[in-house]
Amino acid sequence: AQTVTQSQPEMSVQEAETVTLSCTYDTSESDYYLFWYKQPPSRQMILVIRQEAYKQQNATENRFSVNFQKAAKSFSLKISDSQLGDAAMYFCAYRIANYGGSQGNLIFGKGTKLSVKP
Amino acid sequence: NAGVMQNPRHLVRRRGQEARLRCSPMKGHSHVYWYRQLPEEGLKFMVYLQKENIIDESGMPKERFSAEFPKEGPSILRIQQVVRGDSAAYFCASSPREYGGYTFGSGTRLTVV
Repeated sequence: AQTVTQSQPEMSVQEAETVTLSCTYDTSESDYYLFWYKQPPSRQMILVIRQEAYKQQNATENRFSVNFQKAAKSFSLKISDSQLGDAAMYFCAYRIANYGGSQGNLIFGKGTKLSVKP
Repeated sequence: NAGVMQNPRHLVRRRGQEARLRCSPMKGHSHVYWYRQLPEEGLKFMVYLQKENIIDESGMPKERFSAEFPKEGPSILRIQQVVRGDSAAYFCASSPREYGGYTFGSGTRLTVV
């Protein structure tokens, strides 16, 4: 069974600094997707960034980038120039790629609570 | 184009009552997923539906929980005879096609007293 592990329950970063959130996963599949979601106190789940396993290039979205190490099954999120609005829970998630059957559901880690200090 | 709408946002039920949670997917989305988030946990998959069909309910508890997505109207997650352990945030997500990108709603927080 696929699992997603986030080993850092809480992290803290100074405003304008850089922080890296860790995520590891376990799967026997070769084709899958990985995601980082942000959940602010409003509870809304917001997609931050997405990575296709078949792509070697790390995904980047403005201040957010990932370090995807497929062999190590590692998928960390780097937030550069941290802002107060980045404070939230961050969840790493996995989904198998497009195969037949009902494989579309996401598997989430337990999350990392990020605090940003002014 | 409104996002995924869930209501109510907060729901309080006494033990033994029924809870009905509603989810209206984004316009044009015919695939709906329900997830449950317990305190201090990530979201866990419950059920995947298309219009009038349950595709995958492998994450649903075997008793008291049911879900539907009728041809007309919102998707409904129904919990009968609620217990304290059902207290959680319930999220709905929709996509335009199978394996499409998800859009999540803001969730319904169910509290059982």
